[in-house]
Amino acid sequence: KAGVTQTPRYLIKTRGQQVTLSCSPISGHRSVSWYQQTPGQGLQFLFEYFSETQRNKGNFPGRFSGRQFSNSRSEMNVSTLELGDSALYLCASSRLQGNTEAFFGQGTRLTVV
Amino acid sequence: DQQVKQNSPSLSVQEGRISILNCDYTNSMFDYFLWYKKYPAEGPTFLISISSIKDKNEDGRFTVFLNKSAKHLSLHIVPSQPGDSAVYFCAASAGGATNKLIFGTGTLLAVQP
Repeated sequence: KAGVTQTPRYLIKTRGQQVTLSCSPISGHRSVSWYQQTPGQGLQFLFEYFSETQRNKGNFPGRFSGRQFSNSRSEMNVSTLELGDSALYLCASSRLQGNTEAFFGQGTRLTVV
Repeated sequence: DQQVKQNSPSLSVQEGRISILNCDYTNSMFDYFLWYKKYPAEGPTFLISISSIKDKNEDGRFTVFLNKSAKHLSLHIVPSQPGDSAVYFCAASAGGATNKLIFGTGTLLAVQP
């Protein structure tokens, strides 16, 4: 059974640009969550999707957005990139909604220069 | 406000001995807890979870203990192996219809051969 797939693995962008990251969950999983990991802030929750609907959102500016498609694949978008957006972005998939294991992808390393 | 705390940034143990990683939380609404192992620049790997209706859960060499009155959980690894060397994160969920996880800051475990 394939795991969570995130693309691309690495990305370098310039300040002011926008970026789109993709996540394909484990087959049969309908919940996708996104997290940002930075050395200073640790692992921070961005947002959660289930059945194409955003169920929860973390404390991030509106420049961070996401969506989920009917096949459960998800994308997150960051507009007007800032240097501080440089981080490892992680996607997690879960089979159910609530009190269930979350399995993570390898992450996308975004560097903003 | 750090709702999930791992007060030991690092831990060193000898191969074959027990590793005990600790985690404290402040939010009494948390009712589902998970432990992850993580290598740099990779996604976290799910290890074991526990629901608040239990006080212990075992899976092979890994056992998680939950003390709800103390708002404390611990991960025991027996016996420890050099391949266990990694950063360990505990995470908590407030349950309900959400998979949002609040992560601790991590503990770096080094298992010496």
